[in-house]
Amino acid sequence: DTEVTQTPKHLVMGMTNKKSLKCEQHMGHRAMYWYKQKAKKPPELMFVYSYEKLSINESVPSRFSPECPNSSLLNLHLHALQPEDSALYLCASSQDPGITDTQYFGPGTRLTVL
Amino acid sequence: QKEVEQDPGPLSVPEGAIVSLNCTYSNSAFQYFMWYRQYSRKGPELLMYTYSSGNKEDGRFTAQVDKSSKYISLFIRDSQPSDSATYLCAISGDSNYQLIWGAGTKLIIKP
Repeated sequence: DTEVTQTPKHLVMGMTNKKSLKCEQHMGHRAMYWYKQKAKKPPELMFVYSYEKLSINESVPSRFSPECPNSSLLNLHLHALQPEDSALYLCASSQDPGITDTQYFGPGTRLTVL
Repeated sequence: QKEVEQDPGPLSVPEGAIVSLNCTYSNSAFQYFMWYRQYSRKGPELLMYTYSSGNKEDGRFTAQVDKSSKYISLFIRDSQPSDSATYLCAISGDSNYQLIWGAGTKLIIKP
């Protein structure tokens, strides 16, 4: 099973709201990723968790706050977002961080910020 | 110069045709080459993964890597309307997990 699940599928929020995106994988992967994808563009890496520790933050604004409660779960907490943050947010996982390995993506959460 | 170049298309072909999708890259250190398929409003789905040079075949799909030319290709035989999607190449170096993405080519298979 190479499935990464994400909830919710769609999210609409105002600029003053606080919300969270969730990601789950049961493949035993030790690296998990958050990407942001705008329309007609490739995914942009935001964060990488390696063995449940944040290893990479690609200069993402603090209004995005990742959390890895355990090896299967990854959250992205959202607060005070801007309309330009509207995008498809993708979670991915791979077997082994630090060594190039295949990343498996979830279906994404489509976020709209009003 | 971008590290990975990919024509965004769209590429429109009739059903049953052989499709050729391509990317070029600039860094000879890249060794891992992937093709992802992404349907509209969905996450990318890994199609093919190749290490170093050579060909890899999986059903109707063939991935080809030519490291001397820094050129990678994905061929789709007997194309179907269900193959209509955006195809993204993704490339990685030897010692890190970061994927360098092409722009993605939008493919349209006409019935």
